[in-house]
Amino acid sequence: AQSVTQLDSHVSVSEGTPVLLRCNYSSSYSPSLFWYVQHPNKGLQLLLKYTSAATLVKGINGFEAEFKKSETSFHLTKPSAHMSDAAEYFCVVSDRPHNNDMRFGAGTRLTVKP
Amino acid sequence: NAGVTQTPKFQVLKTGQSMTLQCAQDMNHNSMYWYRQDPGMGLRLIYYSASEGTTDKGEVPNGYNVSRLNKREFSLRLESAAPSQTSVYFCASSGGTGKLQSTVYGYTFGSGTRLTVV
Repeated sequence: AQSVTQLDSHVSVSEGTPVLLRCNYSSSYSPSLFWYVQHPNKGLQLLLKYTSAATLVKGINGFEAEFKKSETSFHLTKPSAHMSDAAEYFCVVSDRPHNNDMRFGAGTRLTVKP
Repeated sequence: NAGVTQTPKFQVLKTGQSMTLQCAQDMNHNSMYWYRQDPGMGLRLIYYSASEGTTDKGEVPNGYNVSRLNKREFSLRLESAAPSQTSVYFCASSGGTGKLQSTVYGYTFGSGTRLTVV
């Protein structure tokens, strides 16, 4: 079965500095990969998705992620953090495009310091 | 506003009580899902409904039942609540037709129900 590991439970950056949230996945098939963001007391919002097209995926709010098959990674980056980026981020994998079996990582809490 | 609506937002139950969490979406999505979120564990799928009239178990279905009442509504029922069911519950839906659903379109999530069982 597919699985995903988010390598950091908490990341802290200063406003204006780069963000890197790390995600490794395990999949028996060609995976689909997603990043979701959850602001406090809110539902989850889709940031970006990879579904076997371009390996560099651009999402909302300046975030992007690169699919690296050789490293089984799908890290999320942003060049310059903003205070409003403070939230919980979830990496999600599905290796069965014809059913609904998606697996969530445990989450990474991003703190942005002024 | 278009989206996924969950009720109630908060609930406290005593062990052994029953309750139903309601979820409705107005985006004409085919698929709907119920997840629970626990600290350090991400979201885990309880049940899902790929289309109106069908439901299937997810990763953690024990202690829960669901009903896909129509295309818009998907409810989650706890028949006899236990403290282990204390969690935040999220309903989600996804668009598309046929089999390429959540993996192409992603999910739209509700704002969650925070349930405490004492």
